[in-house]
Amino acid sequence: GEDVEQSLFLSVREGDSSVINCTYTDSSSTYLYWYKQEPGAGLQLLTYIFSNMDMKQDQRLTVLLNKKDKHLSLRIADTQTGDSAIYFCAESRTGGGNKLTFGTGTQLKVEL
Amino acid sequence: GAVVSQHPSWVICKSGTSVKIECRSLDFQATTMFWYRQFPKQSLMLMATSNEGSKATYEQGVEKDKFLINHASLTLSTLTVTSAHPEDSSFYICSARVGSLPHEQYFGPGTRLTVT
Repeated sequence: GEDVEQSLFLSVREGDSSVINCTYTDSSSTYLYWYKQEPGAGLQLLTYIFSNMDMKQDQRLTVLLNKKDKHLSLRIADTQTGDSAIYFCAESRTGGGNKLTFGTGTQLKVEL
Repeated sequence: GAVVSQHPSWVICKSGTSVKIECRSLDFQATTMFWYRQFPKQSLMLMATSNEGSKATYEQGVEKDKFLINHASLTLSTLTVTSAHPEDSSFYICSARVGSLPHEQYFGPGTRLTVT
């Protein structure tokens, strides 16, 4: 079955870059996603990458995909206190009903 | 746009009672809605997929008689936790999908259920 793993916690200083990592096991993943969860708010889709891409950049966010190692990362440049949240990676695959399988979540804490 | 609401945002109930949670897509019609359960410091686990006007499809291990899902309209799905027990205490999140792709899914803010 599918399994998506993340480290539980990351602490960075404001202004530094944050890198959140994710590993997955399903080689048939079609899309890979990064979501942000803040208290009282629904999960927010930050960005996603198609499995035939290596990299995607969107303003302060850079997603890197190593399909061979089944490793996905999210880099947040110039991390701000407002970036403090839980970040989930997720994957979907065609033939899986387009359902999302979420990782365990990484709590990002940004310190002044 | 693409706002999904849930009601209530939190609820406390006694063991043995039933609780209904509503999920609404406020500014779009959703043919498919999803219900997830999230334990503290853990991932979101998909419970069931709900299509308007048809029976929900439950994931393996989810008791359909305990977690009743009704998707009566294109903007409303409800999850009823029947005969609730303390182990049902959790954070329940719904999402609504506007198209057919996974990233066309919008999430509600969640409902915290505590069963005493």
